[in-house]
Amino acid sequence: EVQLVESGGGLVQPGRSLRLSCAASGFTFDDYAMHWVRQAPGKGLEWVSGISWNSGSIGYADSVKGRFTISRDNAKNSLYLQMNSLRAEDTALYYCAKESSRWLQFIIDYWGQGTLVTVSS
Amino acid sequence: QSALTQPASVSGSPGQSITISCTGTSSDVGSYNLVSWYQQHPGKAPKLMIYEVSKRPSGVSNRFSGSKSGNTASLTISGLQAEDEADYYCCSYAGSGGVFGGGTKLTVL
Repeated sequence: EVQLVESGGGLVQPGRSLRLSCAASGFTFDDYAMHWVRQAPGKGLEWVSGISWNSGSIGYADSVKGRFTISRDNAKNSLYLQMNSLRAEDTALYYCAKESSRWLQFIIDYWGQGTLVTVSS
Repeated sequence: QSALTQPASVSGSPGQSITISCTGTSSDVGSYNLVSWYQQHPGKAPKLMIYEVSKRPSGVSNRFSGSKSGNTASLTISGLQAEDEADYYCCSYAGSGGVFGGGTKLTVL
């Protein structure tokens, strides 16, 4: 059974940093691309970032480019999102999500339950 | 990376069919057959319903179908059932990344 378990969310002040982690199990992690997708309270889904199976292809939404960094450790079956210079508008539930192939095609077949990030003073 | 445009809400009675549109540009929907659709019930994670414009993952009812014409993709749900009431999001590959639609709330009357 595929499982994606996010952690690292919490309350953080504007301008500070936070690192999200996603522990994956139930599939061969290094065979698939991965994504972070967020959802602000009461709002829609927003793609944040994606990374190919070998970290050779990485993409970011314009809203986070230059502030967020995605990475993965295939030996640890883990995905990460380093979030710097956080803003109030980054407040959201952050989902770790599995792509159905090695590359970023946005066919997301499994989602975690999310970790909540709240940016507020 | 502007969000794809979806109607905020649609509704239908049980047994009827509804269609949700998803309008993008020639940089996303219009250029790639990598449009997917997701269903999200309140408090739950999204679920993949359609991928590559019109393909259904195993386990998804054949009442769900997808299509595309130019810069607009569509999701059609036939034989509406109460459990179809949810939010629906389209998503498209856009070259350097991806973009979701704003979401459509489906109400089954």
